[in-house]
Amino acid sequence: EIVLTQSPGTLSLSPGERAALSCRASQSVSSRHFNWYQQKPGQAPRLLIYGASSRAAGIPDRFSGSGSGTDFTLTISRLEPEDFAVYYCQQYGGSPPYRFGQGTKLELK
Amino acid sequence: QVQLVQSGAEVEKPGASVKVSCKASGYTFTDYYIFWVRQAPGQGLEWMGWINPNNGDLKYAQIFQGRVTMTRDTSINTAYMEVSGLTSDDTAIYYCTRERIGCSSTTCHFDYWGQGTLVTVSS
Repeated sequence: EIVLTQSPGTLSLSPGERAALSCRASQSVSSRHFNWYQQKPGQAPRLLIYGASSRAAGIPDRFSGSGSGTDFTLTISRLEPEDFAVYYCQQYGGSPPYRFGQGTKLELK
Repeated sequence: QVQLVQSGAEVEKPGASVKVSCKASGYTFTDYYIFWVRQAPGQGLEWMGWINPNNGDLKYAQIFQGRVTMTRDTSINTAYMEVSGLTSDDTAIYYCTRERIGCSSTTCHFDYWGQGTLVTVSS
């Protein structure tokens, strides 16, 4: 079974800083089906990045995704106040076919 | 515009069942799987299963098999998810989301989500 492990669990930063969130898969996965979501309190998750590096519609270009194989990164180039949220990686493929990471909380320092 | 609108919050007793609906609009209902994702209080996202509205094909996550039933009514573009034998561990927000059928040849991802339905199990 493929497991996605996100790090760090919590990241404390200030507006204007750069954030790098990691997601590691327990075995090599297809980057075509590797995605990132943002979830704010009281809201449903929102698709940010799909296919490891493509921004979803309406997502600002300060968000970028990279990686392949077992290591993937979500980068936020300059944090805005509205970016403080929980971020989840998600992947399709293998057995069971769907999985989420446990989440990284990006909090205001 | 694409919308997935879910039914309202429910409070159920242990051992009861609950049925949550997800009404789709703004796209062709039969072109996308409907997935259900659960989030317990303060916890992460957990995939429960999916239904193909086109033909009714189903796939449930193993931990939910035998307790979850997913159905759909294409005449009103609505998907349903029923959980039976509720326990306090089923207290959670249940989300529906969609994924394009046939995405495995391109990219598979959940692009629109319902607003979530809070199910509380309490005696």
